[in-house]
Amino acid sequence: ELKVEQNPLFLSMQEGKNYTIYCNYSTTSDRLYWYRQDPGKSLESLFVLLSNGAVKQEGRLMASLDTKARLSTLHITAAVHDLSATYFCAVDATGTYKYIFGTGTRLKVLA
Amino acid sequence: EAGVVQSPRYKIIEKKQPVAFWCNPISGHNTLYWYLQNLGQGPELLIRYENEEAVDDSQLPKDRFSAERLKGVDSTLKIQPAELGDSAVYLCASSKWTGGNQPQHFGDGTRLSIL
Repeated sequence: ELKVEQNPLFLSMQEGKNYTIYCNYSTTSDRLYWYRQDPGKSLESLFVLLSNGAVKQEGRLMASLDTKARLSTLHITAAVHDLSATYFCAVDATGTYKYIFGTGTRLKVLA
Repeated sequence: EAGVVQSPRYKIIEKKQPVAFWCNPISGHNTLYWYLQNLGQGPELLIRYENEEAVDDSQLPKDRFSAERLKGVDSTLKIQPAELGDSAVYLCASSKWTGGNQPQHFGDGTRLSIL
């Protein structure tokens, strides 16, 4: 059974600082997705990572995928308050198309 | 491009009552998903449709939950009878097709409260 774990679960950081969120998964997969969710809102797609070594960047966020280590990272550079949200990674075990979401990382950026 | 539309946004019912949620996916999206999201957790897949066919309903509690996607467009999810533990946000998502480089596009969800 595919398990997806994120850490940390909660992250409070100062504006201007850098930090990394980790997403580990337990079975073979070559597709990983990152989503953002604001309180009371729905999920918004951030990145789609489709192969080992894939790296995507948008603004202050950069995501990478290491399929051999079964690990994805979401790196935040020079955080700003607007990045405060919950971030989810989602994985589907190869060939299943059954997406399993992580428990989420709740990020709070302090001014 | 209009997004995924869900209704109602909020629903409060007493336990043992029936309830239904409606979803209109993005035009041209063949794949439709229903998820359940409990507070502080990630979404959990209930059912996935490819056009009008339910291709994965293994996580759907079929004793009380049912879903349909007539004509491969709109979809409804029904609970009958509702139990206290069903209180959650029910999310609908769609994608052009399954897998590959297709992220899922989510609606705003229906927040269900069971009294």
